[in-house]
Amino acid sequence: KAGVTQTPRYLIKTRGQQVTLSCSPISGHRSVSWYQQTPGQGLQFLFEYFSETQRNKGNFPGRFSGRQFSNSRSEMNVSTLELGDSALYLCASSLPGLAGLNEQFFGPGTRLTVL
Amino acid sequence: AQTVTQSQPEMSVQEAETVTLSCTYDTSESNYYLFWYKQPPSRQMILVIRQEAYKQQNATENRFSVNFQKAAKSFSLKISDSQLGDTAMYFCAFWGAGNNRKLIWGLGTSLAVNP
Repeated sequence: KAGVTQTPRYLIKTRGQQVTLSCSPISGHRSVSWYQQTPGQGLQFLFEYFSETQRNKGNFPGRFSGRQFSNSRSEMNVSTLELGDSALYLCASSLPGLAGLNEQFFGPGTRLTVL
Repeated sequence: AQTVTQSQPEMSVQEAETVTLSCTYDTSESNYYLFWYKQPPSRQMILVIRQEAYKQQNATENRFSVNFQKAAKSFSLKISDSQLGDTAMYFCAFWGAGNNRKLIWGLGTSLAVNP
């Protein structure tokens, strides 16, 4: 079974631009969670989608948004990029149920650099 | 608010020896779940072990075991017979129904296994 895939793997943007990251979960997984990982803050939860609905949300500004499609693939979008948005963005999928409770399977991440 | 603290940013151990990684957490909930995840260099995050708070018996997965002290709110990970492939960042995470059902992560411990 294929693992979680994320595209692109690396991205360089400038301040003020917007970016869209994509995540394809493991087949059969309907829950997709997004995390921002930085050396100083560690992993911080962005949001979780289940059956095309945002089920949970972290404490990030409205510039961070996401969506999930009927095939469970998910995208996250960051608008008006700031230098502090530079991070590794991780996507994780899990079986139906409570996302944090079930084992989360992580993708390799998208490394975003904002110049 | 729930917090997870990993007090050891970096640790090292000789191959074949035993090492213990510390994790403490703060919560007012009585039922919750604790996890250890491993992130090898340039590789994907994977689940190492999971503990349910209502279970008194410490979880074990092959060479990995935990020491769960509920009253002390402590959840340490013991790695026996350390192998070079254990070199990774290790993250402790907490999941409880009261924290809006999302994983709360520690900042991680970087473990180096030396030959």
